[in-house]
Amino acid sequence: QKEVEQDPGPLSVPEGAIVSLNCTYSNSAFQYFMWYRQYSRKGPELLMYTYSSGNKEDGRFTAQVDKSSKYISLFIRDSQPSDSATYLCAMSRPNINTGTASKLTFGTGTRLQVTL
Amino acid sequence: DGGITQSPKYLFRKEGQNVTLSCEQNLNHDAMYWYRQDPGQGLRLIYYSQIVNDFQKGDIAEGYSVSREKKESFPLTVTSAQKNPTAFYLCASSIDSNQPQHFGDGTRLSIL
Repeated sequence: QKEVEQDPGPLSVPEGAIVSLNCTYSNSAFQYFMWYRQYSRKGPELLMYTYSSGNKEDGRFTAQVDKSSKYISLFIRDSQPSDSATYLCAMSRPNINTGTASKLTFGTGTRLQVTL
Repeated sequence: DGGITQSPKYLFRKEGQNVTLSCEQNLNHDAMYWYRQDPGQGLRLIYYSQIVNDFQKGDIAEGYSVSREKKESFPLTVTSAQKNPTAFYLCASSIDSNQPQHFGDGTRLSIL
């Protein structure tokens, strides 16, 4: 079983829809959670970063973390064709020796298509 | 503009040849990373460096080598020992290992 599971999609929604993207994880030591957006032939772009349970909002994007269920979500409101991309979740746990974050573990990404 | 520059964008390797991928950042970040991205597998860590003149192996370091002689540069060499080098290679950096990583636009390596 992978440490981080993410549905690869593709997920197709009409313009203006609310999109929900999700990841589940198995390691309860994960404390830092990120969402990246990756356009074709480009590098991932950081969208959201959080280290606590609950919601974090930034414009049309809301990141939600539920540590008790080991489940994170990214919601996109009023989706636009320009949101069509692959969305990657990533997470890391504190290094027990240094207290700093250890390496990132990525999901495989969900491909989103927003249609006109 | 501040950012991470990877070059070249596309690279072709002949059998038995070593090739070097360039990664430069002007963000004054201490930590730098190399990942490999393959379809359906997500990003896998090859090497990372937290400070100049120091680096550690990631999950799939075999067949790769790196150097960190300058803070802003972290080149990756794909050696002939890497038998399946065809992939999309991504370089990232962060202020320190406790902060989120920012990525360059990648180098796509193919075998001739």
